[in-house]
Amino acid sequence: GEDVEQSLFLSVREGDSSVINCTYTDSSSTYLYWYKQEPGAGLQLLTYIFSNMDMKQDQRLTVLLNKKDKHLSLRIADTQTGDSAIYFCAESNPLTGGFKTIFGAGTRLFVKA
Amino acid sequence: DGGITQSPKYLFRKEGQNVTLSCEQNLNHDAMYWYRQDPGQGLRLIYYSQIVNDFQKGDIAEGYSVSREKKESFPLTVTSAQKNPTAFYLCASRLTLAGNTEAFFGQGTRLTVV
Repeated sequence: GEDVEQSLFLSVREGDSSVINCTYTDSSSTYLYWYKQEPGAGLQLLTYIFSNMDMKQDQRLTVLLNKKDKHLSLRIADTQTGDSAIYFCAESNPLTGGFKTIFGAGTRLFVKA
Repeated sequence: DGGITQSPKYLFRKEGQNVTLSCEQNLNHDAMYWYRQDPGQGLRLIYYSQIVNDFQKGDIAEGYSVSREKKESFPLTVTSAQKNPTAFYLCASRLTLAGNTEAFFGQGTRLTVV
């Protein structure tokens, strides 16, 4: 079945870049997402990328997609303490029922001042 | 302000009791979802609904029930049949079921069995 995997923890110093990685198994995935969850809160969509794209940039965020390796990454430039949160990678395929968004377990990002 | 609201934020339940978690949205979204979040795990889909008076089971529906009598409301009942109900529950809504529209999440309800 479909699966999305992420490492559970990442620690960076304030001002450095953070790179959060994700792998997925469904080669037919068409939309890939990054969500952010702050403590005790719901998920907030940060960005998403369509599967025919290699890269998407939005201010401090850069998403890279390697469709051959089924690898997705989120780079946060100039990481701030306010970026400390859990980041979820997710994928869906509207052709097979877009309701079934598959989420990874989340990567907890620690930012040290 | 448009948004999706879950209540209560914290809920305690005695073993053997049913409890209902509220989810309301004023975004005029057709699709609504309930997820369960456990530490170190991704979100798991409990139930979803694409239209009023219709809902479908997700991956872990056993021990849960839902209703969708109004477009804006999608309450989740955690029944006594759910053997391990302590978790963080997230409700989400989306304009349509299609994956290219953003899912908006509520702030979550933390349910604890005491």
